[in-house]
Amino acid sequence: SQQGEEDPQALSIQEGENATMNCSYKTSINNLQWYRQNSGRGLVHLILIRSNEREKHSGRLRVTLDTSKKSSSLLITASRAADTASYFCAPRDTGRRALTFGSGTRLQVQP
Amino acid sequence: NAGVTQTPKFQVLKTGQSMTLQCAQDMNHEYMSWYRQDPGMGLRLIHYSVGAGITDQGEVPNGYNVSRSTTEDFPLRLLSAAPSQTSVYFCASMKGVNSPLHFGNGTRLTVT
Repeated sequence: SQQGEEDPQALSIQEGENATMNCSYKTSINNLQWYRQNSGRGLVHLILIRSNEREKHSGRLRVTLDTSKKSSSLLITASRAADTASYFCAPRDTGRRALTFGSGTRLQVQP
Repeated sequence: NAGVTQTPKFQVLKTGQSMTLQCAQDMNHEYMSWYRQDPGMGLRLIHYSVGAGITDQGEVPNGYNVSRSTTEDFPLRLLSAAPSQTSVYFCASMKGVNSPLHFGNGTRLTVT
């Protein structure tokens, strides 16, 4: 199964600013998922966007998916210090159950 | 529901020792998987299972064994620990292909 590649590897912003992270993948997908990991903890699921969806919102999170470009983006609006974490995308291959992860984007929100 | 429970939380082994990392979920999920995460890195898939009695290899299976005798449990066995297996190990489970993964809190393993 494929893994997504997140970009940038690291991002540092001020509280209140928006944070945008990008994900690229290689093959056809069933869905694409975004996860957050706080230091030393297990990953927490944020949003799942299906291949036939273009945009999805959850609170301050906005995810877009462009299957023609094989890319997705995660936007966190009005960031808070508590948003400091690593963020991972996980594209799910069509017909495959195993989910693999890239190296993530490390977001630092300065208070 | 307790979700995904991993034990132990911490473990120190000497090179050559064997041990089993336990993982249990109470959500009746068919799919379970094991990942390892090295410092500053992403997660790498070790083994996964799509149901009781069915297991498959992930990206880095060497040195690890798994079995799935029940839906609830998915133990990971280290046969002969090596320093390269020092890592944080995460277990995760999922209901179906369009469902999210639920992660445990990890087991921090050090092999000296």
